[in-house]
Amino acid sequence: DVKVTQSSRYLVKRTGEKVFLECVQDMDHENMFWYRQDPGLGLRLIYFSYDVKMKEKGDIPEGYSVSREKKERFSLILESASTNQTSMYLCASRDGYEQYFGPGTRLTVT
Amino acid sequence: AQRVTQPEKLLSVFKGAPVELKCNYSYSGSPELFWYVQYSRQRLQLLLRHISRESIKGFTADLNKGETSFHLKKPFAQEEDSAMYYCALMGGATNKLIFGTGTLLAVQP
Repeated sequence: DVKVTQSSRYLVKRTGEKVFLECVQDMDHENMFWYRQDPGLGLRLIYFSYDVKMKEKGDIPEGYSVSREKKERFSLILESASTNQTSMYLCASRDGYEQYFGPGTRLTVT
Repeated sequence: AQRVTQPEKLLSVFKGAPVELKCNYSYSGSPELFWYVQYSRQRLQLLLRHISRESIKGFTADLNKGETSFHLKKPFAQEEDSAMYYCALMGGATNKLIFGTGTLLAVQP
C-alpha cells in the first residue's frame, strides 16, 4: 500500500519566516508533486519533479522553491512566508496514472 | 489551453436521489480523465478513470468527446457519498494532472 507522509498536519508561522514542508513516499515513485488546495480554487500545482534533482514549475510557483535530493523525499520551501500563502498544502507521488496524496499540511501565516 | 471546469460548488441531494456531478474540459488532444474524491478528514484519492470504464461505489462516468464532458453519475445517492469531488485531466508532454475547482456533494438523510 502506497504511503505518502507529510511532516506536519498543522503549522503556524510568522510573516517573513522561511518555511519547510517535507514529503516522503515509500513506493519508489519517480514523480512527485506539490499542490495547494483553497476553497473555490481547487488544487493548483506549485512544483513537480520527475527525478532526483529535477524540478519543474507548476502553475503557481511564485514565492516557492523545492528540493529533491533523494528519490523518496520532496521538500517545498517558502522563502519568506506571506499571509497569502496560508493554505492547505498537498504532496503527491505518482507511478503510472494514479496519484497518491499525503494527508496535507494546513499552514497558517500570521 | 488545458482546463477543467466544474460549474457547481455545492450539490445537495436527498438520500436515494440520482446524482450528477458535472465536469467539462478543454484539451486539444485525447485526454485522460479522472475523478478524485476527498471524504471528510481523509486524504484525496482516485475514484475512477475514464479508460477503465468501471463502476466504483456505484459511480460511473462517461467521456463525451463531442461535448467535452466527463460527468460523474450515481443513480441512488447514499449519505456516505457526501464528499468533495474533483474532476482532473492528464495530458500534454509533461503529463501534469490538472484539477477542476471541485464540487461538494452533500447527501441529506
